[in-house]
Amino acid sequence: TQLLEQSPQFLSIQEGENLTVYCNSSSVFSSLQWYRQEPGEGPVLLVTVVTGGEVKKLKRLTFQFGDARKDSSLHITAAQPGDTGLYLCAGEEAGGTSYGKLTFGQGTILTVHP
Amino acid sequence: NAGVTQTPKFQVLKTGQSMTLQCAQDMNHNSMYWYRQDPGMGLRLIYYSASEGTTDKGEVPNGYNVSRLNKREFSLRLESAAPSQTSVYFCASRSVYEQYFGPGTRLTVT
Repeated sequence: TQLLEQSPQFLSIQEGENLTVYCNSSSVFSSLQWYRQEPGEGPVLLVTVVTGGEVKKLKRLTFQFGDARKDSSLHITAAQPGDTGLYLCAGEEAGGTSYGKLTFGQGTILTVHP
Repeated sequence: NAGVTQTPKFQVLKTGQSMTLQCAQDMNHNSMYWYRQDPGMGLRLIYYSASEGTTDKGEVPNGYNVSRLNKREFSLRLESAAPSQTSVYFCASRSVYEQYFGPGTRLTVT
């Protein structure tokens, strides 16, 4: 079973601060996805990174996939209260007939105070 | 466009009772998944179905059974509920690089 360690588990910051969330594994993933989840709802995809070293930007969010495709990070610049939520990373198994099976990190609960 | 729908939204069971969680998707996806979400543990895969007529175990299948009724519907059954199955259950279907999740079923087993 592949494991994905996500840190930190909790993050409480003031509006305007920057933050980074990390996902690390000893396993190689074919792709890595970042989701955001609101209370009472299912996760919603933010981005998928596929290539080692890939960097994707989504407004104030920057996502990076490690060169070896074993780790990823999410960086938020100038956080806003609307960024508050649960952030999840998920890796798709590399090779074989994985049929899109995802391994999720434990999640990071982000609270941005006005 | 409904996406992925799940019923019921909430359920309380007594230990030993059985129930079926329903899931349907209208996006014509081949692959569907059942996850459970517990505090501090992210989402863990219970069962998945790569296509109509096939099902396979995920990371935590014990105590559950599934049925892929047709391409749209994928149900999860608890034959004899246990308190350890108290959780939030999510169904998902998959396109090329994205899984679409339903709103979840919050299940409490007393």
